[in-house]
Amino acid sequence: KAGVTQTPRYLIKTRGQQVTLSCSPISGHRSVSWYQQTPGQGLQFLFEYFSETQRNKGNFPGRFSGRQFSNSRSEMNVSTLELGDSALYLCASRGGDNSPLHFGNGTRLTVT
Amino acid sequence: QKEVEQDPGPLSVPEGAIVSLNCTYSNSAFQYFMWYRQYSRKGPELLMYTYSSGNKEDGRFTAQVDKSSKYISLFIRDSQPSDSATYLCAMSSPPGAGSYQLTFGKGTKLSVIP
Repeated sequence: KAGVTQTPRYLIKTRGQQVTLSCSPISGHRSVSWYQQTPGQGLQFLFEYFSETQRNKGNFPGRFSGRQFSNSRSEMNVSTLELGDSALYLCASRGGDNSPLHFGNGTRLTVT
Repeated sequence: QKEVEQDPGPLSVPEGAIVSLNCTYSNSAFQYFMWYRQYSRKGPELLMYTYSSGNKEDGRFTAQVDKSSKYISLFIRDSQPSDSATYLCAMSSPPGAGSYQLTFGKGTKLSVIP
């Protein structure tokens, strides 16, 4: 079974720009979550989607948004990029309420 | 006080040693406990998943949970150079209204020296 796939692997953007990251969950998984990983803060929860609905959102500004499509694929968008948004953005999926999260390899975003 | 505390290391051990990695937590609502391994330039890979106190064993790995002390551990027996990675503990409360989020420790960087 293919794992969680994230594209692109690497991105370089300039302050003020916006970016869209893509995630394809494990086949059959309907829940998709996004996390931000930085050396200083570690892994922090961004949001979770299930059946195209956002179920929970972490403590991030409104510049961070996401969506989920009917095939469970998800995208997250960051607008008006800031230097502090440089991070590894990880997508994860799970197969049921008592199932653990399985992560992709992430998108490394660098903001200059 | 952070919700999850994990010694960042780095931890360096000789090949074949027993490794002990630990996390403490403060939120009594946490009922699900996980250990992830993360290699450089990769995403976290699930190693162990448990939701009860006590021990769970999988090959060379043993996860231990003590809810009364709010303390979890991961033991690695017969450590190998391929175990060199960052180990992250993670935990969550039971999904409420279907919502689910993990709180992570900062990770412990382990090096196993041949």
